[in-house]
Amino acid sequence: QQPVQSPQAVILREGEDAVINCSSSKALYSVHWYRQKHGEAPVFLMILLKGGEQKGHEKISASFNEKKQQSSLYLTASQLSYSGTYFCGTEASSGGGADGLTFGKGTHLIIQP
Amino acid sequence: KAGVTQTPRYLIKTRGQQVTLSCSPISGHRSVSWYQQTPGQGLQFLFEYFSETQRNKGNFPGRFSGRQFSNSRSEMNVSTLELGDSALYLCASSLGLARYNEQFFGPGTRLTVL
Repeated sequence: QQPVQSPQAVILREGEDAVINCSSSKALYSVHWYRQKHGEAPVFLMILLKGGEQKGHEKISASFNEKKQQSSLYLTASQLSYSGTYFCGTEASSGGGADGLTFGKGTHLIIQP
Repeated sequence: KAGVTQTPRYLIKTRGQQVTLSCSPISGHRSVSWYQQTPGQGLQFLFEYFSETQRNKGNFPGRFSGRQFSNSRSEMNVSTLELGDSALYLCASSLGLARYNEQFFGPGTRLTVL
């Protein structure tokens, strides 16, 4: 089952902060975040694993609430280059990875000067 | 280091035909995953191959299949094409299993089924 991302779209001014949420109905083992610019391939941002381990970029932060089966991506002091579609991918705790990553439909972020 | 390459970049087929897409991962990467991307559904996981073995599979019919060779290159096959198979097919490679590692995506193959 696809995780639900919110908001679906957001428009910000350069320098403003953004929060993108990802929510699942299943207990999660991991959450993966990717950004895709129009006409380009998705690019890795972060992995958050059950138990607190994180792998990702320095300028982007995220949280993973295992109990609530939610993750949030925090973009602070947004830059024009942050524009794009953000996808969260989740892996359920059950199944040992047999189901692979399930991605949400994406959040469209537009940063205006 | 060369990135992930996919061939062909564009493909036009008719209903009922079969198609094979190819993906060459980054050198040293052992995992290749395939995704279908459409405007309405976003990124949908097809399958992941690691060391020539299919590790997991998404919720797609058996018409979608794949394989991985000893050099980690992977192919995806779709038989008996349907109009709804029109999409951008992305492959992604990672050093190890995708569940633990950063994935690097290729530019995709745009498949149009007429």
